[in-house]
Amino acid sequence: DGGITQSPKYLFRKEGQNVTLSCEQNLNHDAMYWYRQDPGQGLRLIYYSQIVNDFQKGDIAEGYSVSREKKESFPLTVTSAQKNPTAFYLCASSITREAFFGQGTRLTVV
Amino acid sequence: DAKTTQPTSMDCAEGRAANLPCNHSTISGNEYVYWYRQIHSQGPQYIIHGLKNNETNEMASLIITEDRKSSTLILPHATLRDTAVYYCIVPRLRNTPLVFGKGTRLSVIA
Repeated sequence: DGGITQSPKYLFRKEGQNVTLSCEQNLNHDAMYWYRQDPGQGLRLIYYSQIVNDFQKGDIAEGYSVSREKKESFPLTVTSAQKNPTAFYLCASSITREAFFGQGTRLTVV
Repeated sequence: DAKTTQPTSMDCAEGRAANLPCNHSTISGNEYVYWYRQIHSQGPQYIIHGLKNNETNEMASLIITEDRKSSTLILPHATLRDTAVYYCIVPRLRNTPLVFGKGTRLSVIA
């Protein structure tokens, strides 16, 4: 099945630890995106990549880092510099204007 | 992305048609209107898109006014599973990040 896979679905980390969220797609899409969603709020863009080995900051990139070494993978690292990392993280990919989303990773930092 | 305006929330009786409006008065001639929905704790799901003609698929219909300044998403026979936040988006360019507003929270009531 073609699609976009995020893992894990739920993630718990201690404060001060870096954590990496996985996002993989087998849709052969060039562009990939990371969004963050807080309870009752809309999606906010963290980082995006339009091509392998290139990525741009979104509206709330501080405290996050990404890499795009392969077309199908776009991992997001939540660093200890992110002041409020507990949130729902969504990854998406697109080849035109239509985006396909993963099912999200809910990160809780305690 | 062109700015869009949607009502914050709407209710619909189960089995009735749900009509969700969206204003996009600054839309340019070659920009499409896209609709997504997000069921609680899931990733957004593409529903439908259109340029100027009305569109229909297995999920919904999209009616775009002749001046293209507004559109209406129609779910012809709403079910409880259609309860979600519905987003109207006008993407500017292909493979650029979608900008999500607050959307319309549709509650389908039994």
